[in-house]
Amino acid sequence: SQKIEQNSEALNIQEGKTATLTCNYTNYSPAYLQWYRQDPGRGPVFLLLIRENEKEKRKERLKVTFDTTLKQSLFHITASQPADSATYLCALGPWMDSSYKLIFGSGTRLLVRP
Amino acid sequence: EPEVTQTPSHQVTQMGQEVILRCVPISNHLYFYWYRQILGQKVEFLVSFYNNEISEKSEIFDDQFSVERPDGSNFTLKIRSTKLEDSAMYFCASSDDGRGGPEMENEKLFFGSGTQLSVL
Repeated sequence: SQKIEQNSEALNIQEGKTATLTCNYTNYSPAYLQWYRQDPGRGPVFLLLIRENEKEKRKERLKVTFDTTLKQSLFHITASQPADSATYLCALGPWMDSSYKLIFGSGTRLLVRP
Repeated sequence: EPEVTQTPSHQVTQMGQEVILRCVPISNHLYFYWYRQILGQKVEFLVSFYNNEISEKSEIFDDQFSVERPDGSNFTLKIRSTKLEDSAMYFCASSDDGRGGPEMENEKLFFGSGTQLSVL
């Protein structure tokens, strides 16, 4: 069966440390993998995307890796701040067949303590 | 920064009633979407819309659902006869036309703040 999994337990870290979030999937072959941030009661906000032929992408304090053999993406936030506290969603898509729909994971809640 | 706007922010309706959720996508975007999120669950794809027609829909998007772009700016989701299980946060999203080149990240979606639909 097809699955996309993110750690359901909240990640609780100290300000200034690096947060690492994991996204694993099975039986999917996305052309892209995206990461979004979602605050309570709000819509997802795009952070980064990575293509299936890319291994790593960086944007300011954010880094994402994509291993299509392991079917895994890691999302890192360096020098974390309390303002980074939110739920982070992994999303697969668009797809090789030109479908633009996104399939979301259930998200990992990050709490950064001051 | 341009944003997707949705109205109303909250909608309460009786089971069996029709509701229309409204969205104004970002003005130069060409792809439009509806997603929903039941409380505590994943964000789920409902439908995508391009060039004035549905390009893709999920199993959730049955005959009770319809979408329309009645003019150059609005994008609506209609639920004909609401059920209790339609209660959810409904998000509209839009994206660019994908011709901006490899670094333009045109595959990213811009989401609105959502309409919380409560069916009683």
